[in-house]
Amino acid sequence: DAGITQSPRYKITETGRQVTLMCHQTWSHSYMFWYRQDLGHGLRLIYYSAAADITDKGEVPDGYVVSRSKTENFPLTLESATRSQTSVYFCAVTPPSNNEQFFGPGTRLTVL
Amino acid sequence: GQQVMQIPQYQHVQEGEDFTTYCNSSTTLSNIQWYKQRPGGHPVFLIQLVKSGEVKKQKRLTFQFGEAKKNSSLHITATQTTDVGTYFCAGPQGGSEKLVFGKGTKLTVNP
Repeated sequence: DAGITQSPRYKITETGRQVTLMCHQTWSHSYMFWYRQDLGHGLRLIYYSAAADITDKGEVPDGYVVSRSKTENFPLTLESATRSQTSVYFCAVTPPSNNEQFFGPGTRLTVL
Repeated sequence: GQQVMQIPQYQHVQEGEDFTTYCNSSTTLSNIQWYKQRPGGHPVFLIQLVKSGEVKKQKRLTFQFGEAKKNSSLHITATQTTDVGTYFCAGPQGGSEKLVFGKGTKLTVNP
């Protein structure tokens, strides 16, 4: 949705490099999520955040780090990328009135 | 942990045929949501069902929530090529804002 942007949209990197994927919302919704999507696995939650400075692990957090110093931004960092982290990454937010999720356009990451 | 299972994983139909995808949760859900992801796109929220036995319609799409609130279905009548995509169901994990997604059903439609 227009209120969520992700950057970069495409990224190719090498094993061992650090990569940061950005997620920005134009609203000020509290809850933000990071998912990865792989064939045969659907959407798997990596990390989520309930508010600025509050983050928690999801289903597949290993190899990832998040921070949330500002409500609008929720960057996801791969500290030392591995080939198994090749995936499509989606950021999502939940408005306070209900728990439906609005997804960003995604980042396609390839780790060589 | 909580699991949400969807079947079938793939479905190929001729345009005009009906399509149904089924979702089953290992736990009782407070609500269930459905999303559609077009090829190359991102998941987009379709609908949320909250009540036991609830049925909601959106044009040719009919969504049902089971009486026990552990299963749901999405039925598309007379599919069109615009229905192509992957349909996901999702349920909240416990009382949190987190969602557990099914693996999705990928629908292809032959014109």
